[in-house]
Amino acid sequence: DGGITQSPKYLFRKEGQNVTLSCEQNLNHDAMYWYRQDPGQGLRLIYYSQIVNDFQKGDIAEGYSVSREKKESFPLTVTSAQKNPTAFYLCASSMAGNPGPDTQYFGPGTRLTVL
Amino acid sequence: AQSVTQLDSQVPVFEEAPVELRCNYSSSVSVYLFWYVQYPNQGLQLLLKYLSGSTLVKGINGFEAEFNKSQTSFHLRKPSVHISDTAEYFCAVSDHQAGTALIFGKGTTLSVSS
Repeated sequence: DGGITQSPKYLFRKEGQNVTLSCEQNLNHDAMYWYRQDPGQGLRLIYYSQIVNDFQKGDIAEGYSVSREKKESFPLTVTSAQKNPTAFYLCASSMAGNPGPDTQYFGPGTRLTVL
Repeated sequence: AQSVTQLDSQVPVFEEAPVELRCNYSSSVSVYLFWYVQYPNQGLQLLLKYLSGSTLVKGINGFEAEFNKSQTSFHLRKPSVHISDTAEYFCAVSDHQAGTALIFGKGTTLSVSS
């Protein structure tokens, strides 16, 4: 089945530790995205990538880093510089490269809790 | 810059009643509009989208939305809701450039009770 997988579903971290969230897609999509969701805040864009080895900062990139070494993978690292990392993190992907509408398909999310 | 405003943070309704979830956007360019649904502790699922053409868009689960360019609105409607429609609903906008990220509203929680 084609889709987006995120792992782990739940993640606990001690303050001061870096942690990496996994996102993999087998939809052959060019573009991938990371969003952060907090209650009552909607989804806010952290980083996005339109092509392998290239990515752009979103609205709240501080304290986060990403890599895009493979088309199907877009891991997100939450660093110790992120002041309030407890949140629900959603990865998405879409077709890109051709002008036109891009439906984004979402993974099931990772809930990160800092202890 | 684009923005999306969902006018109601919570909408409580009784089962089999009609519902409307309101969404307004602002943009200086032509846009695409989307409605997504999120069930608890899950990712988002596309309900429907407006790209061009007919302003009335039909989606999954009996939902529909109407694009109104003059009022910059894209309200979501369902004539008769079910308990299973209880979820959070997000309106989103993107411009016509491929591969750009969506701008989301803050969400509307629809609570359906019997």
